[in-house]
Amino acid sequence: NAGVTQTPKFQVLKTGQSMTLQCAQDMNHNSMYWYRQDPGMGLRLIYYSASEGTTDKGEVPNGYNVSRLNKREFSLRLESAAPSQTSVYFCASSERDRRPLHFGNGTRLTVT
Amino acid sequence: AQSVTQLDSQVPVFEEAPVELRCNYSSSVSVYLFWYVQYPNQGLQLLLKYLSGSTLVESINGFEAEFNKSQTSFHLRKPSVHISDTAEYFCAVSENTGFQKLVFGTGTRLLVSP
Repeated sequence: NAGVTQTPKFQVLKTGQSMTLQCAQDMNHNSMYWYRQDPGMGLRLIYYSASEGTTDKGEVPNGYNVSRLNKREFSLRLESAAPSQTSVYFCASSERDRRPLHFGNGTRLTVT
Repeated sequence: AQSVTQLDSQVPVFEEAPVELRCNYSSSVSVYLFWYVQYPNQGLQLLLKYLSGSTLVESINGFEAEFNKSQTSFHLRKPSVHISDTAEYFCAVSENTGFQKLVFGTGTRLLVSP
């Protein structure tokens, strides 16, 4: 029972490079989320997908794009990475609106 | 928009002592409140939640939190902590309108020593 799986676990990028963070859940959840966690700032919502086929901006969407590929998968793309995007990224899913979130173990991204 | 304040960034405590982790929120509408726990190198896990009904909610591992609307607080308490409770604890709030988007506090690191 994998839950929410994120890949990769670690990544180092140079400024200007692009990459996609992958997230998949096997719980048949409708809603999926991307958060970033920075020291002293808690978790901040980047984008979310209330249901398959929809995506919406969260609190800090600038510099990111997302794709809800299907019900299981929700990817986060950095088109041109910047040092300010150095962070730990968490994907989460929930059965539907107003249900508890289930988190993956995170992707630690460093941009130099 | 809602916001959450966790005033204590770190709380050191001895094993078997009681602990309270403070959480205050701000919102112009009714809210749902949550506590999540994060162990090292892991994602967050739901500890307990308040949606409606009884203002005192409990978790399976001995934590409890009380929703106080007049104080806009949702403090987390445990009467006797264990070494294994060492983790970071996040309070979160979601407004009771529109799609649920959790806003997290900055976290409180609970350090339990023998």
